[in-house]
Amino acid sequence: GQNIDQPTEMTATEGAIVQINCTYQTSGFNGLFWYQQHAGEAPTFLSYNVLDGLEEKGRFSSFLSRSKGYSYLLLKELQMKDSASYLCAVPLSGSARQLTFGSGTQLTVLP
Amino acid sequence: DSGVTQTPKHLITATGQRVTLRCSPRSGDLSVYWYQQSLDQGLQFLIHYYNGEERAKGNILERFSAQQFPDLHSELNLSSLELGDSALYFCASSVLDSGNTIYFGEGSWLTVV
Repeated sequence: GQNIDQPTEMTATEGAIVQINCTYQTSGFNGLFWYQQHAGEAPTFLSYNVLDGLEEKGRFSSFLSRSKGYSYLLLKELQMKDSASYLCAVPLSGSARQLTFGSGTQLTVLP
Repeated sequence: DSGVTQTPKHLITATGQRVTLRCSPRSGDLSVYWYQQSLDQGLQFLIHYYNGEERAKGNILERFSAQQFPDLHSELNLSSLELGDSALYFCASSVLDSGNTIYFGEGSWLTVV
């Protein structure tokens, strides 16, 4: 089966750092994706982790621990435009063909 | 701009009607995916095609059908529409059949009245 858990909402201040957690349960692991989605817009790809550890990409970093079924997205130097929903996604168990998305974490960045 | 094109961007139709949503994948991509996003639900996977063949089905209703044509564009057909079908329908594409990043189009907003 497939189960992905993320906090529903988070709030942070401009310039701060925020960590968005994601836990997942899957019988087979084929990588974990993070997407950003602004309201009413298309999800956009942020990161992909298939091995344990931290992947850094500018202000955004993503961490994976396969043994713990855990990932986080770290956003540094927050900007107002970072206010969005952040979606954690894993390929469906037994198949790498389609991504199953978590419900998303709605991040609000305050001035 | 992801390179995935969806039409129409907005559509309002009455209950019981039928609509067709169209998607053109990124140049070179062979896979097309359809997702539904309602206000109270996250992104729900509907169906996946690769190079014209159906690869996987998710939570797709029997009233819905899709196909991928030889030129790789795809259409999602929604029939006997109900109020609950109002949602944002996303198409996404990727190069491979599996295990790779998918890129989303801007979506088609469907409102059923």
